[in-house]
Amino acid sequence: AAGVIQSPRHLIKEKRETATLKCYPIPRHDTVYWYQQGPGQDPQFLISFYEKMQSDKGSIPDRFSAQQFSDYHSELNMSSLELGDSALYFCASSFAGTSGGRPYNEQFFGPGTRLTVL
Amino acid sequence: QKEVEQDPGPLSVPEGAIVSLNCTYSNSAFQYFMWYRQYSRKGPELLMYTYSSGNKEDGRFTAQVDKSSKYISLFIRDSQPSDSATYLCAMSAGSGGFKTIFGAGTRLFVKA
Repeated sequence: AAGVIQSPRHLIKEKRETATLKCYPIPRHDTVYWYQQGPGQDPQFLISFYEKMQSDKGSIPDRFSAQQFSDYHSELNMSSLELGDSALYFCASSFAGTSGGRPYNEQFFGPGTRLTVL
Repeated sequence: QKEVEQDPGPLSVPEGAIVSLNCTYSNSAFQYFMWYRQYSRKGPELLMYTYSSGNKEDGRFTAQVDKSSKYISLFIRDSQPSDSATYLCAMSAGSGGFKTIFGAGTRLFVKA
């Protein structure tokens, strides 16, 4: 079965540079979530999109922005990178529908992008 | 106080034991509850998903949600060394992109 695809898998940047992370959701999934996970920490919700519109926002720095495109893939843009931005960035996708009255909301995660800021 | 509390462990059990993992939460709006398993440097893998209260069973895994107590549990029967991983609970108030809050994750070690 197709899974969530993230690219690149690894990224090394210098301080103050910019980075773009890409996420391709599972086919037919209409919702994308971005998470940041530091070493030994739980995933922290950054931002989400439903049907190409921003749905919710968490602890995302103003230096970061994201969008979901017409083909449902999403990109996380990170500018003025800081050392503290080094982390695993996960994308997850879900389908916001119902079946027999019960809603779907299972989020399936991609393999992550490991960002290292030097 | 965090919205979702989870004991980080580590929890060490012998092979074949029943493992009990749990989370408590404070936001009564949460309706969607998930359990993930995460191996080192890998993405979280969805194990169980429950909407609202009740029990759900899938193979060796059973998830329970008690909304009145704001308490959720994951039970693993006949635990195997391959179950050694970090287990994360996660919950949200709605579908379609609602913010999802994770617990800190419990590190589980199953000894052969």
